[in-house]
Amino acid sequence: DTAVSQTPKYLVTQMGNDKSIKCEQNLGHDTMYWYKQDSKKFLKIMFSYNNKELIINETVPNRFSPKSPDKAHLNLHINSLELGDSAVYFCASSQDREQFFGPGTRLTVL
Amino acid sequence: AQTVTQSQPEMSVQEAETVTLSCTYDTSESNYYLFWYKQPPSRQMILVIRQEAYKQQNATENRFSVNFQKAAKSFSLKISDSQLGDTAMYFCAFMKYNNNDMRFGAGTRLTVKP
Repeated sequence: DTAVSQTPKYLVTQMGNDKSIKCEQNLGHDTMYWYKQDSKKFLKIMFSYNNKELIINETVPNRFSPKSPDKAHLNLHINSLELGDSAVYFCASSQDREQFFGPGTRLTVL
Repeated sequence: AQTVTQSQPEMSVQEAETVTLSCTYDTSESNYYLFWYKQPPSRQMILVIRQEAYKQQNATENRFSVNFQKAAKSFSLKISDSQLGDTAMYFCAFMKYNNNDMRFGAGTRLTVKP
């Protein structure tokens, strides 16, 4: 069974569109995260939720909005997509120590 | 703020040989965790090894071991008997104890040559 899953794995869309990426974990962890990995492979945390509450909110455009319906899910909604949003987005979860990552979603904005 | 520095953007090693990847970090904390993650071309992030700062003994996982020097704030990864499947990006990461904010280094691209 996949521990942390993301859908879709690939997403190609036009500038200006709104899109969502879904994430689910079946590890029973309390904390979930979203990371952005740019073309140079640099990993930057965007958001972190603990038991459905936002605990880390790095400086990201407010076009990005995380939503956590329950502690097993953390979805990422992006409004008005821009070319610079093209990247790989990783979801992760943890319980006090190491983080377990999903397979990533490659977002391409045309 | 904690920073993690990986000074080697790229490295290569011959199959079956040993390679060491460097990582230094900056923190005023005394309790924390350090990690090495591997990202192969499949892009999946895989935990390689974990070290708790309060433990003096260096962590080991099969062919992977670390050299943790707390005073020097250094955390290098040694890969013994390198295999082609070790070809990947390797990320060093730091996390304060009881805090979920993990910070990553810029990564080292390792190529294992046949």
